[in-house]
Amino acid sequence: DTEVTQTPKHLVMGMTNKKSLKCEQHMGHRAMYWYKQKAKKPPELMFVYSYEKLSINESVPSRFSPECPNSSLLNLHLHALQPEDSALYLCASSQPRTGSNQPQHFGDGTRLSIL
Amino acid sequence: SQQGEEDPQALSIQEGENATMNCSYKTSINNLQWYRQNSGRGLVHLILIRSNEREKHSGRLRVTLDTSKKSSSLLITASRAADTASYFCATQHIFGTGTRLKVLA
Repeated sequence: DTEVTQTPKHLVMGMTNKKSLKCEQHMGHRAMYWYKQKAKKPPELMFVYSYEKLSINESVPSRFSPECPNSSLLNLHLHALQPEDSALYLCASSQPRTGSNQPQHFGDGTRLSIL
Repeated sequence: SQQGEEDPQALSIQEGENATMNCSYKTSINNLQWYRQNSGRGLVHLILIRSNEREKHSGRLRVTLDTSKKSSSLLITASRAADTASYFCATQHIFGTGTRLKVLA
């Protein structure tokens, strides 16, 4: 069992749908991350939240909208996605530390399929 | 691309053999990390090596770091079938291309 919980595990949605991915951690970490991973590829960073504030946005299209309601929760709101957005979406958390990346704890991801 | 390169891309060995995978990166670093990913699962942190360290051990894992060559290696000794997974190095939230390891029982 992982200490970072992601829901749902699988999601199938049409291009006009609106859905949200959820991530929760109770390790007291104050940095949380969203990654996108295509098959047989490494994870690609999308967003970083540090102390509940967005600190990094890796030029992600606006159809992906992150939200950090509190220090334990991270959401990714999805709207008008494209078939190429089908991927495994991974959430991670860590202790924030300026100038030094810390070990990240990952959830098992949400496998997203866009029809 | 900022992505690091790993080689080999895929490695198949017999149980009990050692597995070595290599990582090269492009920017200066504070530390470098190695992660494992089992099929369909999230990544699991294995080991962190700081830029002022040259070698680090953790159980059957041995990591080396050569900052002059911007490279690192991960050695898994006495491999087991359960070590079958993809292995990624990471610097500054950037993951290498990964090595897919298959250990045959």
